[in-house]
Amino acid sequence: AQSVTQPDIHITVSEGASLELRCNYSYGATPYLFWYVQSPGQGLQLLLKYFSGDTLVQGIKGFEAEFKRSQSSFNLRKPSVHWSDAAEYFCAVVGVNSGGGADGLTFGKGTHLIIQP
Amino acid sequence: DTAVSQTPKYLVTQMGNDKSIKCEQNLGHDTMYWYKQDSKKFLKIMFSYNNKELIINETVPNRFSPKSPDKAHLNLHINSLELGDSAVYFCASSRQGADEQFFGPGTRLTVL
Repeated sequence: AQSVTQPDIHITVSEGASLELRCNYSYGATPYLFWYVQSPGQGLQLLLKYFSGDTLVQGIKGFEAEFKRSQSSFNLRKPSVHWSDAAEYFCAVVGVNSGGGADGLTFGKGTHLIIQP
Repeated sequence: DTAVSQTPKYLVTQMGNDKSIKCEQNLGHDTMYWYKQDSKKFLKIMFSYNNKELIINETVPNRFSPKSPDKAHLNLHINSLELGDSAVYFCASSRQGADEQFFGPGTRLTVL
């Protein structure tokens, strides 16, 4: 079964500084990877996804992520954070089973991002 | 237009009661899901339906019963509510199982 690890429970960065949120996955085949953001009291919004092809993917709100198969990682980055980026960030993987169907999203435990003025 | 909607947004009830949460999507997607987010923000899939057929049924007490009257709706019925059922429940949908999922705003269930 697949799993996702987000090693940082909380991260604090200053407004305008760069950001990197770590994500490691475990899955036997090629994974489909996602980053979602959840603002307080809100649902989840997709930031970006990786299915195949270019390992550097661009998302909304200036975020990008790089898939590194050798490290089983899919880290999220942003060159300059804004106060509105304060939220919970979830990395997720969905596996495709032998029947071609999906096993559903498996989420990491999330990273809480705090922005300092 | 709201893509994935859930009702109610908040649900406060007593232990032992039966309650339902409704979900509707207007995206024309084939697959719908229910997720539970606990107090520590951990998200876990509960059920998945594809074209009204149950695909995924994770280890969830049988007090939880999903029902899909049509492809656009997936409701969650919970019998004999317990304190531990307090959580935020999210509905989601996707075109295919491995495609990106669109989430509803969530239903915060509080069992007293």
